[in-house]
Amino acid sequence: DAMVIQNPRYQVTQFGKPVTLSCSQTLNHNVMYWYQQKSSQAPKLLFHYYDKDFNNEADTPDNFQSRRPNTSFCFLDIRSPGLGDAAMYLCATSRDLRGEYFGPGTRLTVT
Amino acid sequence: TQLLEQSPQFLSIQEGENLTVYCNSSSVFSSLQWYRQEPGEGPVLLVTVVTGGEVKKLKRLTFQFGDARKDSSLHITAAQTGDTGLYLCAGGGSNYKLTFGKGTLLTVNP
Repeated sequence: DAMVIQNPRYQVTQFGKPVTLSCSQTLNHNVMYWYQQKSSQAPKLLFHYYDKDFNNEADTPDNFQSRRPNTSFCFLDIRSPGLGDAAMYLCATSRDLRGEYFGPGTRLTVT
Repeated sequence: TQLLEQSPQFLSIQEGENLTVYCNSSSVFSSLQWYRQEPGEGPVLLVTVVTGGEVKKLKRLTFQFGDARKDSSLHITAAQTGDTGLYLCAGGGSNYKLTFGKGTLLTVNP
């Protein structure tokens, strides 16, 4: 029944060591999003894909990259994680902007 | 830039009490969603409202979209401890991006 799956649920990485978070969906939605969320705050949009079209938010650091090899999968790459990048990373999908369906998130710790 | 002001930011009540959370904007949204998020989990979509003046009920939760589609409210009747969580409103526009409010952290005490 899982609709938006994120792996891993918890990720620990070292300062400066590249890390990749993954997201997959079984909903066949054409829009996929990556958000960063810090404690008890609203999710902050990093980027989104409409089909294969990539849309970067103006304030998303260059340190964050994304790939969407097909409709079902999307990856978030953090090239050189800093302590300030420790957060929950949420993947979401949407079909017609009548609601986004979020995954359970990946909690990233940077040591 | 579209902004959504959500209030209150924090709310602590006793079980059985009623509460209302508000979401206001100067911008018109094509849709308005409400989410509930528990610690360590992703937000879960509760409802989407799309028509000005629309009212939707989900058990003890009542959602309303303002006539001008600029504001919304969430009313919970007889709150339960299981209602504890972060409530987020989000407005949909034409660019496939949501504008989120800052959230309301609700604690329902037994």
